[in-house]
Amino acid sequence: EIVMTQSPLSSSVTLGQPASISCRSSQSLVHSDGNTYLSWLHQRPGQPPRVLIYKISNRFSGVPDRFSGSGAGTDFTLKISRVEAEDVGLYYCMQGTRLYTFGQGTKLEIK
Amino acid sequence: EVQLVESGGGLVQPGGSLRLSCVVSGFTFTTYWMHWVRQVPGEGPVWVSRINTDGSSTSYAESVKGRFTVSRDNAKNTLYLQMNSLRAEDTAVYYCARINLGTYDYWGQGSLVTVSS
Repeated sequence: EIVMTQSPLSSSVTLGQPASISCRSSQSLVHSDGNTYLSWLHQRPGQPPRVLIYKISNRFSGVPDRFSGSGAGTDFTLKISRVEAEDVGLYYCMQGTRLYTFGQGTKLEIK
Repeated sequence: EVQLVESGGGLVQPGGSLRLSCVVSGFTFTTYWMHWVRQVPGEGPVWVSRINTDGSSTSYAESVKGRFTVSRDNAKNTLYLQMNSLRAEDTAVYYCARINLGTYDYWGQGSLVTVSS
């Protein structure tokens, strides 16, 4: 099983300031088809997760452009350029290259 | 509008059974693999099972293999998860989700399963 490790596990950010979350996989996420199936999801309390970024850096429909993803191989990053109040909650990285596993989550709060 | 609506959760005793249903609308159900994902409150999501477009191929997490069965009725746009021999550690919110582009692009609202005596 591919293990996904996120850091930090919690982050307190001032409104309008940037935020960054890292995710490391225990194996390369490059699939045999050439794609890297690393995505980022956001979850608010009482709601299901919703996808923000797929295949490392592609924003899902309707996701604001303040969210961006980067990385390759085993190291990936989600960045929020200017944090807004609605961005609070839990962020998960997820790999879909060999079955499906999630990181342990990063809690984002407003300072 | 894409919608996935789960039902069938509840309280069950250890060793008991439940069947979850997920009715989908707003997309062509027959063209997507579908998954079940569960989440213990306060923890990250965990993949449970998947099924291909015509139901001929299924996969399961080791923790549920031999106890859970995923199926689908394409005529009814419905995904199922039959859960037998339930254990306390199966207690979680269960989500049906559509897999697309290597991620889950749409999720149901979740169905709580509680296994307790």
